[in-house]
Amino acid sequence: DAGVIQSPRHEVTEMGQEVTLRCKPISGHNSLFWYRQTMMRGLELLIYFNNNVPIDDSGMPEDRFSAKMPNASFSTLKIQPSEPRDSAVYFCASSSTRRMETQYFGPGTRLLVL
Amino acid sequence: RKEVEQDPGPFNVPEGATVAFNCTYSNSASQSFFWYRQDCRKEPKLLMSVYSSGNEDGRFTAQLNRASQYISLLIRDSKLSDSATYLCVVTGGTGFQKLVFGTGTRLLVSP
Repeated sequence: DAGVIQSPRHEVTEMGQEVTLRCKPISGHNSLFWYRQTMMRGLELLIYFNNNVPIDDSGMPEDRFSAKMPNASFSTLKIQPSEPRDSAVYFCASSSTRRMETQYFGPGTRLLVL
Repeated sequence: RKEVEQDPGPFNVPEGATVAFNCTYSNSASQSFFWYRQDCRKEPKLLMSVYSSGNEDGRFTAQLNRASQYISLLIRDSKLSDSATYLCVVTGGTGFQKLVFGTGTRLLVSP
């Protein structure tokens, strides 16, 4: 079975540009999570969806970040405009409601904003 | 104070050694506890859950002390393939029990 799929795997962009990260959760999982990982702050939860509905977005750093989940098999995280401090690895994870605490992570998107 | 604190290491040990990692957490309402493993430039993966009674999975033993808000992971007979970063994870928050990750302890096992 395919795991969580993320694209792109690497993204290099210039400050001020829009960045869109994509995620396909594991089929049948109805919870989806976006995380950001940096050396200084470790892994931080940005937003959590359950049945395509955003439940907790308290970790979203600011209005420049937005996330959507238009259907059960696709989610996006958008940064507009991007800034150098947004450089990080962004992970998407999914889980089933019955085992919500067991999360399966995608390979991540390495974002570098110049 | 961070919600989950870990010694960043690195812990450098020879093959066959026993090594232990510790972790403390600040939220007394945390209900579930885990160790995740993250290889270099890879995603985190669940290693094992941690139960109050302690639990073992092969060479790995996890312990939880709720009174001290302390979690441990013991690895016996270390293998080269155990080299990774080990993330201590607890649930936190109100209502939705989100996962809160420590920044990890790096283990390097050498021949």
